[in-house]
Amino acid sequence: DTAVSQTPKYLVTQMGNDKSIKCEQNLGHDTMYWYKQDSKKFLKIMFSYNNKELIINETVPNRFSPKSPDKAHLNLHINSLELGDSAVYFCASRVNVNGTSGSREQFFGPGTRLTVL
Amino acid sequence: GNSVTQMEGPVTLSEEAFLTINCTYTATGYPSLFWYVQYPGEGLQLLLKATKADDKGSNKGFEATYRKETTSFHLEKGSVQVSDSAVYFCASSSSNTGKLIFGQGTTLQVKP
Repeated sequence: DTAVSQTPKYLVTQMGNDKSIKCEQNLGHDTMYWYKQDSKKFLKIMFSYNNKELIINETVPNRFSPKSPDKAHLNLHINSLELGDSAVYFCASRVNVNGTSGSREQFFGPGTRLTVL
Repeated sequence: GNSVTQMEGPVTLSEEAFLTINCTYTATGYPSLFWYVQYPGEGLQLLLKATKADDKGSNKGFEATYRKETTSFHLEKGSVQVSDSAVYFCASSSSNTGKLIFGQGTTLQVKP
């Protein structure tokens, strides 16, 4: 009955590889997000989708490509991994952002720790 | 652009001590404000929130008041426990995309 789930929990890979992280939410939410947490614990927004439509695309290298096959899923594909991509990636979801204020909370997944060697 | 600034950590306290973690924000308009907590090895959980000036959010003995005049949202708890040891994040949210802008996080360690 997990609300927001991510797979895998840990991902260790070599530089130059391509990898994907998956996120699923069973809360019936329409809006989903990807955040990156660096080694100093700083969290920064990367992408957001609302009903499968991209609404936030921060300054992220184009090696990162989000995909939302349906509103319950938001995956993150990373090409040509670099050492600096090592971080914890969090997925989050919330009720539909359209027509609502920013007061609604976001529900976070447990995170995916990516280590690039 | 919008930003959130938290006091530097780590903060180390003895059990039953009083806790304050400072948070200030800059924003256009009136954002909603949040405190999230991250326990070791876990994702973020909402601790409390406030959506307009003078609102007080509270949960599990923690409190924070939305102060427009000082653009602050300081987190307080009267008596901390060892189980409160975690990283605390202050965040603001814009109304059109809902994205969260986080402070840098404050690590709290409570010793018995």
